[in-house]
Amino acid sequence: DIVMTQSPDSLAVSLGERATINCKSSQSVLYSSNNKNYLTWYQQKPGQPPKLLIYWASARESGVPDRFSGSGSGTDFTLTISSLQAEDVAVYYCQQYYSTPLTFGGGTKVEIK
Amino acid sequence: QVQLVQSGAEVKKPGASVKVSCKASGYTFTSYGISWVRQAPGQGLEWMGWISAYNGNTNYAQKLQGRVTMTTDTSTSTAYMELRSLRSDDTAVYYCARDMRLVPATSNFWGQGTLVTVSS
Repeated sequence: DIVMTQSPDSLAVSLGERATINCKSSQSVLYSSNNKNYLTWYQQKPGQPPKLLIYWASARESGVPDRFSGSGSGTDFTLTISSLQAEDVAVYYCQQYYSTPLTFGGGTKVEIK
Repeated sequence: QVQLVQSGAEVKKPGASVKVSCKASGYTFTSYGISWVRQAPGQGLEWMGWISAYNGNTNYAQKLQGRVTMTTDTSTSTAYMELRSLRSDDTAVYYCARDMRLVPATSNFWGQGTLVTVSS
């Protein structure tokens, strides 16, 4: 199984500042035949199901604000919130879909400083 | 608009079974797969498995093999997840989610979740 490790476990960022979340996979999730990274990012607010933010490591889902961006390749990935808003308080999860079982990172809780 | 509506909360005794339903609407049901994901109280997300709504092919998490069965009813656009021999650590919110493709992949639409409580 591919193990997904997120860091930090939590972070507190001032409104309008940048938040950066890291995700590392135990093996590459880059599929060489199509040069795509099989990595997605979800946002989950309390009492709600996860919401898709980013897929293929950097493709923003329709309707997601452009302050959210994904980057990285192979085994190291980053989700960046360029200017934190109050509504971004949530837990963020990375997930690989390169191979089954699909696996999630442990989550990163983002709070307002 | 795409919607996934799940069945209501359940309370079960250890050793019992539970079957959660997930009724889809707003898209062609057989063109996508459905993943099931669970979340224990205060914990992270755990992928349970996947079913193709096109041909019923399944892919289950190893740790649940033998206890979980995922099925679909294309006549009603409904997916089902049955979990047997319930234990206390099966207490969780269970989500169905529509994948973006007909293989296990990113899920772009999610049900509201079904709380299953296992308690004697």
